[in-house]
Amino acid sequence: DAMVIQNPRYQVTQFGKPVTLSCSQTLNHNVMYWYQQKSSQAPKLLFHYYDKDFNNEADTPDNFQSRRPNTSFCFLDIRSPGLGDAAMYLCATSRATGGWGGTEAFFGQGTRLTVV
Amino acid sequence: DQQVKQNSPSLSVQEGRISILNCDYTNSMFDYFLWYKKYPAEGPTFLISISSIKDKNEDGRFTVFLNKSAKHLSLHIVPSQPGDSAVYFCAASADRGKLIFGQGTELSVKP
Repeated sequence: DAMVIQNPRYQVTQFGKPVTLSCSQTLNHNVMYWYQQKSSQAPKLLFHYYDKDFNNEADTPDNFQSRRPNTSFCFLDIRSPGLGDAAMYLCATSRATGGWGGTEAFFGQGTRLTVV
Repeated sequence: DQQVKQNSPSLSVQEGRISILNCDYTNSMFDYFLWYKKYPAEGPTFLISISSIKDKNEDGRFTVFLNKSAKHLSLHIVPSQPGDSAVYFCAASADRGKLIFGQGTELSVKP
């Protein structure tokens, strides 16, 4: 019954080595989000897709990229991970209609990224 | 510039008593508010929400209150149970549904 699935749960990468995190969903939701959460901090929105429309947050570093090849899948690419990028990365989905607001997001279990 | 704030990092209550978690926000454009519950090593799970046109929403043991004039919302859990022990995040949305989160409050319910 898994609805939002993130792989892997734990990822260790080397400093500067590109890494990709993946997210898939069985809910057929049109919106997918990527959040970064560091210890004891609020989850921070990096970007989101409204259908195929990509929306980057103004303060998301260029080091972070995303791809959404179809409705079900979304990827987070970190081109050159630094030590400061170690965090929990959360994927979420929601169903949005033409009038926004009023929709909850469903989260995956997250990927814990360690940079060594 | 933190738009959603949870000023209490932790809260401890006795089983059976009421838990009250608080959240303040600064952006008057927020029109939808949510509470999420998070266990360690898991993603947040949706708990309850409220639209800005309401001031109260109830779901079983959970009630969310919204005071728009004070830009404040609270989550009441009554009676509290040990299984409620988790981190609770307040979130708000205004623009295309994207959620802005508070820092979370860790609730501990002691038997």
